[in-house]
Amino acid sequence: EAGVAQSPRYKIIEKRQSVAFWCNPISGHATLYWYQQILGQGPKLLIQFQNNGVVDDSQLPKDRFSAERLKGVDSTLKIQPAKLEDSAVYLCASSLRTSGGRYGDTQYFGPGTRLTVL
Amino acid sequence: GNSVTQMEGPVTLSEEAFLTINCTYTATGYPSLFWYVQYPGEGLQLLLKATKADDKGSNKGFEATYRKETTSFHLEKGSVQVSDSAVYFCALSSGGYNKLIFGAGTRLAVHP
Repeated sequence: EAGVAQSPRYKIIEKRQSVAFWCNPISGHATLYWYQQILGQGPKLLIQFQNNGVVDDSQLPKDRFSAERLKGVDSTLKIQPAKLEDSAVYLCASSLRTSGGRYGDTQYFGPGTRLTVL
Repeated sequence: GNSVTQMEGPVTLSEEAFLTINCTYTATGYPSLFWYVQYPGEGLQLLLKATKADDKGSNKGFEATYRKETTSFHLEKGSVQVSDSAVYFCALSSGGYNKLIFGAGTRLAVHP
């Protein structure tokens, strides 16, 4: 079974430029997540989709970040304009369902995109 | 709010030593608990999970027991190998939407 695919793996941009990341989840997984992992910290959820609808985007900086999941499969995360503090690894994950709490559904992570903003 | 606290690293051990990485949590309701591992240059991989109190998750010689009374989920392994060198993240999922809350991670370095 193919895992979560992400591209590009690395990206270097100047501040105020724009950048986009792509994610293809595991086939059949209804739920897709984007996390931001700053160096030395644990990942932090930016946005969560159930099929092509947004379930949670409470920690997404909406003035500069946007994300979409067309047709409930692939997803794109965009930053425009980028700031120095956006330097991080952006992780995409997927799970079969959105069940949390005691039914915590396993999330499978892609390799991530390392973004450096100069 | 929900949170996870892990022991700070790095943890440096000799091969075949006993490993414990402490993890405590704060959560409402009935969270599920996870350990993820990140090997150098790779993405996060699920190591083990437990979904209710007193459950023990295990995989690849690693174990962790969900202790509700102490709100803990400590990771243990009886004999570590050089190949276990990685960053280990404790995480919880609480509430209806399966959002993961991660600890800061603990780097483990195992020397021959």
